[in-house]
Amino acid sequence: EVQLVESGGGLVQPGRSLKLSCAASGFTFSNYYMAWVRQAPKKGLEWVATISTSGSRTYYPDSVKGRFTISRDNAKSSLYLQMNSLKSEDTATYYCARLTVLAPDYWGQGVMVTVSS
Amino acid sequence: DIVMTQSPSSLAVSAGETVTINCKSSQSLLSSGNQKNYLAWYQQKPGQSPKLLIYLASTRESGVPDRFIGSGSGTDFTLTISSVQAEDLADYYCQQHYSYPLTFGSGTKLEIK
Repeated sequence: EVQLVESGGGLVQPGRSLKLSCAASGFTFSNYYMAWVRQAPKKGLEWVATISTSGSRTYYPDSVKGRFTISRDNAKSSLYLQMNSLKSEDTATYYCARLTVLAPDYWGQGVMVTVSS
Repeated sequence: DIVMTQSPSSLAVSAGETVTINCKSSQSLLSSGNQKNYLAWYQQKPGQSPKLLIYLASTRESGVPDRFIGSGSGTDFTLTISSVQAEDLADYYCQQHYSYPLTFGSGTKLEIK
């Protein structure tokens, strides 16, 4: 059974940093592109980052480019999202997702990040 | 960026009825290389994570009931739910998986009368 379990969320002040983690199991992690997708409270879905199987290629929307960094450790079947210079508009539930042809086919339960002073 | 426009934003139907949700992309999602349309549909039930229903416009994900049907090509796509059931209460989103940045529609809230 595919499982994705996020951790590392919480309350953080504007301008500070936070690192999210996602532990994957139930599939060969190194064979899949992975992504982070977020959802602000009562809002829709927004793609945040994608990483290739080896980690050599990463992709971001302009809204987080230069502030967020996605990475992975295939030996540990783990995905990460380093978030710097956080803004109030980054407040959201962050989902870890496995990709198939760039469509998330499995999602974690999500982790809440609140950016507030 | 490819803009995804979904309609309607909400709808209420009775159990047993058929529902149609529309999604329009600002650019074609049809790949000239393999003639496939890179459009996915997701269902998000209250308090849950999204679930993939359809990808490549019409390929149903394993385990998804066959009353969920994806259709369309190019820039116009449709999710049809036949014989709606109470358990289908959810938000539905389309997403283009054709190019970066990946983008989602704004969602359709389905309510059961």
